[in-house]
Amino acid sequence: GQQLNQSPQSMFIQEGEDVSMNCTSSSIFNTWLWYKQEPGEGPVLLIALYKAGELTSNGRLTAQFGITRKDSFLNISASIPSDVGIYFCAGQLVGYSTLTFGKGTMLLVSP
Amino acid sequence: GAGVSQSPSNKVTEKGKDVELRCDPISGHTALYWYRQSLGQGLEFLIYFQGNSAPDKSGLPSDRFSAERTGGSVSTLTIQRTQQEDSAVYLCASSVTSGNEQYFGPGTRLTVT
Repeated sequence: GQQLNQSPQSMFIQEGEDVSMNCTSSSIFNTWLWYKQEPGEGPVLLIALYKAGELTSNGRLTAQFGITRKDSFLNISASIPSDVGIYFCAGQLVGYSTLTFGKGTMLLVSP
Repeated sequence: GAGVSQSPSNKVTEKGKDVELRCDPISGHTALYWYRQSLGQGLEFLIYFQGNSAPDKSGLPSDRFSAERTGGSVSTLTIQRTQQEDSAVYLCASSVTSGNEQYFGPGTRLTVT
């Protein structure tokens, strides 16, 4: 099936630092979603993007739908220890009804 | 309101046994999805239901896997003759319509011994 390339695979940062992660593909997407998963839980939806170029914030999180519709990024500002988890991007390809997920970015934050 | 619920939260079974995993989607959500997540891995799509349409079974890894959705609500994922490689977390998600924002349940952790 179609693949999303999510990077970086993992990040280990100090509390207070900003974080950036992204997903890219060779295919065009209608929708981009960003999820966070903590140990033992299901993924939780953070931000949903529906238009090329759209920039949306949710607290310290900001995500953008790439203008080419083939990529998206997620930024976390002033990270805190509770930001620890695995962040997944997901996209709905043109002509598909299901979502394609990236492999995740594991974020570790040192106090 | 209530989110997606799944049961059991944990299941340990012996190789060769059948298991049933249950998902209760958010009320009013017409689309329901099953995923499998192996340790440290991303989400592997298994099957998708949309309303009364025939399900998209393209992600099921073998004919030992099947799923039903009764009355457009509750879904059951059945794995027959379980194998050790079936050990994983099975996640269910629902959305208002297909392709929309999916909301996940907490998952069922299946361990096959």
